[in-house]
Order: sequence, then structure tokens, then C-alpha cells
Amino acid sequence: GAGVSQSPRYKVAKRGQDVALRCDPISGHVSLFWYQQALGQGPEFLTYFQNEAQLDKSGLPSDRFFAERPEGSVSTLKIQRTQQEDSAVYLCASRRAPMTEAFFGQGTRLTVV
Amino acid sequence: DQQVKQNSPSLSVQEGRISILNCDYTNSMFDYFLWYKKYPAEGPTFLISISSIKDKNEDGRFTVFLNKSAKHLSLHIVPSQPGDSAVYFCAADARNTDKLIFGTGTRLQVFP
Repeated sequence: GAGVSQSPRYKVAKRGQDVALRCDPISGHVSLFWYQQALGQGPEFLTYFQNEAQLDKSGLPSDRFFAERPEGSVSTLKIQRTQQEDSAVYLCASRRAPMTEAFFGQGTRLTVV
Repeated sequence: DQQVKQNSPSLSVQEGRISILNCDYTNSMFDYFLWYKKYPAEGPTFLISISSIKDKNEDGRFTVFLNKSAKHLSLHIVPSQPGDSAVYFCAADARNTDKLIFGTGTRLQVFP
């Protein structure tokens, strides 16, 4: 596709449930980012990949959060044992190289009930 | 520790006038800056960027100014149009980390 694609667009999870959020970056883009955006806030960095290598995961809020990009293309953000505070929009972005613009997907809105 | 700050949560401007959105940063290692625009229920879309070797970059109605000594950048939109009403985020990048850090956003409303 022409843009970054995220699925699902909306996810409602019961507290304690595991969820998996998918990101299809723009073809050929080396860098892939995950952000968490709470209501009224800016996107907060979670983690970053360069190809298949996860170079920075300093923003992951707890060890319940796990991200992978095994073949350097599609990425999955997994949240185990979801809590209410995990409710947010999760944004994925990709870019072809450092110091260039990043392109965002539409996000996945996660609601934990 | 908020490395990128947008101190004005909202701004209201009349159509045809200039909109000026401000952004401050604390990390002197940042060397590439971007502005994004976000509509509800959509992901941020890229507007304009500037490298630290420049102090100004223009693209149509949008101009970004960078003052490195003050660690400050601003986005000027002129003339402002109702379709510009959205939330605007500034973001900063450091060559040695390749990690985009975002501000908290400014909601711009352009009224007729």
C-alpha cells in the first residue's frame, strides 16, 4: 500500500486480556516507530526498529509491552495482561532513513474495560 | 522530563491572519525538527521540517523558523484558512539516536 497501515483501528479488551497490534510500514522504509498517545497529549515514544533490530525500547512502560519486527517489515506491538491505564491510541510510523520525515498510520485506539 | 515543549495548548486566529505556533526544546543534540498536523481520528501528517544548519524553511503558506541559541522554533501559517484548524505537533530528532520526540501539541482554530 501507499501508506502506513495499522490494524485493528479499534480494539476493546477486557482487563487482563492480551492484545496484539499490527503495523504495516511503507515498503522499503528502514525505520519503524511505535508511539502511545493519551487523550490531550502528544505521541509518547515507545520503541524503535531499524530493519529487524530493535535499537531502542526505553519508552515501553512495563515488561507487559513487547514489540517485534522479525523480517524487517511488519511489526507487532503486544500488550500482555492489559490494564486500564493502557487505554490510548497506539501510533506506528515509518521512514526511509534517519533525518527524514516519518509517516504515520491512522493508529489503533485501545480501550481496556 | 519533557524535552520538547509546546506551552500554548490552544490558539485561535481569524481567517486570513497569520498563525504562529511555538515550540521549545531542551536537548542541544537535536538537529532536525519537524511539524505535524493532526485531525481527529487520524494519524499525524507531516507538514514541514528544518535541519539545524538552517534557520528558515518555507513551503507555500508554511514557514518554520529555528533559533538554535534560544532552542526555539516556530511555525508560521499565512494566510490562515479554516481548513488549517487541527492540532499541531512539533517533533525533534537527534542524528545519534534517530528517535523522534514530540511536543504535547497546540490546537489551532481558524475562524471566519
